[in-house]
Amino acid sequence: DTAVSQTPKYLVTQMGNDKSIKCEQNLGHDTMYWYKQDSKKFLKIMFSYNNKELIINETVPNRFSPKSPDKAHLNLHINSLELGDSAVYFCASSNRGGNTEAFFGQGTRLTVV
Amino acid sequence: GDSVTQMEGPVTLSEEAFLTINCTYTATGYPSLFWYVQYPGEGLQLLLKATKADDKGSNKGFEATYRKETTSFHLEKGSVQVSDSAVYFCALSVGNRDDKIIFGKGTRLHILP
Repeated sequence: DTAVSQTPKYLVTQMGNDKSIKCEQNLGHDTMYWYKQDSKKFLKIMFSYNNKELIINETVPNRFSPKSPDKAHLNLHINSLELGDSAVYFCASSNRGGNTEAFFGQGTRLTVV
Repeated sequence: GDSVTQMEGPVTLSEEAFLTINCTYTATGYPSLFWYVQYPGEGLQLLLKATKADDKGSNKGFEATYRKETTSFHLEKGSVQVSDSAVYFCALSVGNRDDKIIFGKGTRLHILP
């Protein structure tokens, strides 16, 4: 059983489209995250949710909207996609407290053409 | 704010060489420290962690010691293998309300046979 699974793994779409990436974790964690990894492998946190409550909302364009229907799911919806949104997006989960590590999904490679 | 600085890569070594990847951190509280590894085309996996000063994390022949006096968490391995080729990320988490995991920029490691 995959601990943190995100779909799709690859996503190629045209500028201006709206797309969603789904994430689910079966670890019973209470906190979930979205990270963006650019072409230089730099990881930047975008959002985190704890028990469906938004905790972190970094400086991200409001075209990006996370949605957490329950604590096991955190989806990412992106409106009006731009070329600069091309990256690998990682979902992760952990338990609150800081001493426990985060578990990551396999990533979604988004390419905007 | 909290931050992680790690040596820039790429680092290229021959098989069986000794590896050190430097990592230093800045944190306002008492962070937990982590090393994650990302193999090509995959998500991040926890390699090792340390939650308090003088703790040593170890896994798969890799070690790192939490040094509060030098605010460092350097990664070492005595004899690297080709299969260790990957990108290595140093990270910290302070465990406050944000529960944010902050990553260094990553160090790409190439091991030559």
